[in-house]
Amino acid sequence: AQSVTQLDSQVPVFEEAPVELRCNYSSSVSVYLFWYVQYPNQGLQLLLKYLSGSTLVKGINGFEAEFNKSQTSFHLRKPSVHISDTAEYFCAVSELTGTASKLTFGTGTRLQVTL
Amino acid sequence: SQTIHQWPATLVQPVGSPLSLECTVEGTSNPNLYWYRQAAGRGLQLLFYSVGIGQISSEVPQNLSASRPQDRQFILSSKKLLLSDSGFYLCAWSVKLGRANVLTFGAGSRLTVL
Repeated sequence: AQSVTQLDSQVPVFEEAPVELRCNYSSSVSVYLFWYVQYPNQGLQLLLKYLSGSTLVKGINGFEAEFNKSQTSFHLRKPSVHISDTAEYFCAVSELTGTASKLTFGTGTRLQVTL
Repeated sequence: SQTIHQWPATLVQPVGSPLSLECTVEGTSNPNLYWYRQAAGRGLQLLFYSVGIGQISSEVPQNLSASRPQDRQFILSSKKLLLSDSGFYLCAWSVKLGRANVLTFGAGSRLTVL
């Protein structure tokens, strides 16, 4: 079975500072990894995904993530955050069952950006 | 373009009452459909998924059930709600591309059971 661990439940950061949200996964097969963002009282929006190829993946809103197979990590980074980045961020790993792709999510990291 | 709708957006129900949450997808055919629950302070838990009309897979034993009466309609139900059923329920859809499927989520339905 696959699992995802998000090591930080909350990350406070000042505006314009860099941020890294950590994600580690466990899987017995090759992985497909995702980061989603959830703004208050809304659904989840895809930030970026790693399927294959370059281990550095760029997403929307200036976010990027690096797949590290040896460390089984997929950390999310942004060089300079904005107030509008305040949200909950979820890392997820994909598992295929028949024709259905099931996502297993981490428990989320709440990013709080302040002035 | 594809859109996904969930309703109602918010719902307050007494313990023991029935529940029906509806999800519909537009602009695509034969999607995979999913119901996730997000409880306060916890991550997202997959409840049900469906690969076609009438085909429902349950991930965890619980007080809820799901049905897919039409290709693009997915319904989450309960005959008698429990306090522990409170949470934020998210419907999602994907095309059938194997593990590369990207799930697209609806805006969610917040259920409070009192």
